[in-house]
Amino acid sequence: KAGVTQTPRYLIKTRGQQVTLSCSPISGHRSVSWYQQTPGQGLQFLFEYFSETQRNKGNFPGRFSGRQFSNSRSEMNVSTLELGDSALYLCASSPGLAGARATDTQYFGPGTRLTVL
Amino acid sequence: AQSVTQLGSHVSVSEGALVLLRCNYSSSVPPYLFWYVQYPNQGLQLLLKYTTGATLVKGINGFEAEFKKSETSFHLTKPSAHMSDAAEYFCAVRGGQFYFGTGTSLTVIP
Repeated sequence: KAGVTQTPRYLIKTRGQQVTLSCSPISGHRSVSWYQQTPGQGLQFLFEYFSETQRNKGNFPGRFSGRQFSNSRSEMNVSTLELGDSALYLCASSPGLAGARATDTQYFGPGTRLTVL
Repeated sequence: AQSVTQLGSHVSVSEGALVLLRCNYSSSVPPYLFWYVQYPNQGLQLLLKYTTGATLVKGINGFEAEFKKSETSFHLTKPSAHMSDAAEYFCAVRGGQFYFGTGTSLTVIP
């Protein structure tokens, strides 16, 4: 099976712009989670989607949003970019099977490196 | 609430020496624990996970971890370090979501 793919891999934006990142999960996986990774804060959970519904949300401002499509592909959007949004954004997919969610393994994509100037 | 603490943000070992990366967890319910590895410019790759059953868990690349409830620990070990083990290692606990530690950067000295 193909792994998790994320596009684009690298992105440069300026403050105030908005950006959309895309994630295609492993075939058959219904859960997609997003993380922000920075050297100072480590991996921080943004949100999780399952069957087009947001199931969990981390502690990020409303400028960060996401959605999931019927084919499980997901996008995240950041509006009004700030310098502090520069980070590696990781997407992870998991089967999301009912009754097994707690033991689900998350499979990560390579990430999108966002630089805000 | 769940959380993990990784002791030591940087660990250096000589090639062939024992690798020990420490992780302590906090969980109000039976924990599901994971170790991931991240190589430069890549995403995270699962090394091993503990759900239930045997407390000594074997993973890929010769790594293993032991779940010790009394010590609330899930330390990662490898008997003999290889140069290719140099990477960032993350411990995580699964609650409603994944909670990751801040990572330990492993350097292997030839």
